Amino acid sequence: EPEVTQTPSHQVTQMGQEVILRCVPISNHLYFYWYRQILGQKVEFLVSFYNNEISEKSEIFDDQFSVERPDGSNFTLKIRSTKLEDSAMYFCASSQRDRGQGYTFGSGTRLTVV
Amino acid sequence: QKEVEQDPGPLSVPEGAIVSLNCTYSNSAFQYFMWYRQYSRKGPELLMYTYSSGNKEDGRFTAQVDKSSKYISLFIRDSQPSDSATYLCAMSGRLDSNYQLIWGAGTKLIIKP
Repeated sequence: EPEVTQTPSHQVTQMGQEVILRCVPISNHLYFYWYRQILGQKVEFLVSFYNNEISEKSEIFDDQFSVERPDGSNFTLKIRSTKLEDSAMYFCASSQRDRGQGYTFGSGTRLTVV
Repeated sequence: QKEVEQDPGPLSVPEGAIVSLNCTYSNSAFQYFMWYRQYSRKGPELLMYTYSSGNKEDGRFTAQVDKSSKYISLFIRDSQPSDSATYLCAMSGRLDSNYQLIWGAGTKLIIKP
């Protein structure tokens, strides 16, 4: 069964450092998403991406965050200057349609900012 | 309003029991209703999705949507220890001119052998 692949599974970084989280979505999907989940809290939407541009972003997705699809297969989330409160699980998801159903999630990257 | 309410649990039941998980919501714009299962330190896995009101069955799982009451349910029959996980409801609809996926907090389910 097709799956969304995320790397690394765990990233530890020092506060203020830049991190890049990587995702390989399902190949025939058109919509891509990043979500995060702080330990013990709800899954939170960060950003959606379609046709090589951001289609929607949440209040969390400020100027410290950026997304790219550099080569037609990878989908990356960059955090420019990490803060302690960025520590969370970051999930990538992809879907064929943008209606909320049918999202396939990756296993996530656990980001720990120290 | 975007709120989706879900009891975080934990809900502990003996193996073989019927499990009932529920969410309530307030925004009538929601049209798609989903249940995801999340094992510890893993991503959410789509179990069921339903469009509008009605029932949907898949094996041991049944999803129900009652839009008039703004209430959705997931039933698990013949529960197994491997069903132990966090179950998240999620729903989407055209909010603020975009389709948005709004999540419940998740209910932690423990099936005791």
